[in-house]
Amino acid sequence: AQRVTQPEKLLSVFKGAPVELKCNYSYSGSPELFWYVQYSRQRLQLLLRHISRESIKGFTADLNKGETSFHLKKPFAQEEDSAMYYCALTGSARQLTFGSGTQLTVLP
Amino acid sequence: DTAVSQTPKYLVTQMGNDKSIKCEQNLGHDTMYWYKQDSKKFLKIMFSYNNKELIINETVPNRFSPKSPDKAHLNLHINSLELGDSAVYFCASSARTRGRDTQYFGPGTRLTVL
Repeated sequence: AQRVTQPEKLLSVFKGAPVELKCNYSYSGSPELFWYVQYSRQRLQLLLRHISRESIKGFTADLNKGETSFHLKKPFAQEEDSAMYYCALTGSARQLTFGSGTQLTVLP
Repeated sequence: DTAVSQTPKYLVTQMGNDKSIKCEQNLGHDTMYWYKQDSKKFLKIMFSYNNKELIINETVPNRFSPKSPDKAHLNLHINSLELGDSAVYFCASSARTRGRDTQYFGPGTRLTVL
């Protein structure tokens, strides 16, 4: 069975502070891992995926297979980063399994 | 030129009614999905479908049925609506390209069952 765990339901940081949203996964094969973001009452948008090893809006995430983690990081948070963030993985069935989400609030 | 669209955006209905939510994608993707986001913002897969295979999440009641008139559409039909069906339903689509499979989501349909 595949599972994604986001231990923090709520996370608040001040503008300009570093932020890290934690994600751990459980999957027996080689999963594809993603971070999706959902701004207030909007659709889910892909933020980044581990295969691309890219940085989007200043966010990065590194896949650590030893720790089965895919934490999302940004060195300097901005107010517009406030949103719900979902970590997700796909396995062989191509269906996304989501974590429970972390609501990030960046305070002025 | 919206990539994945859903109608309606809001749906308010009485318990026991039958309703449908439509989804269309113009990305040329081969696989479409339905997800349910509950009141606690938890997202869960309901179905995935391509022209060869329908995969149903075992926890989905059989009152829910996906219907695909063609590759660009996957509609969600719900019979005998219950209070617990109130949620936001998201459609998504994807295609496997060069080993990558990224899902793109519709804007969601907020269903309220009274």
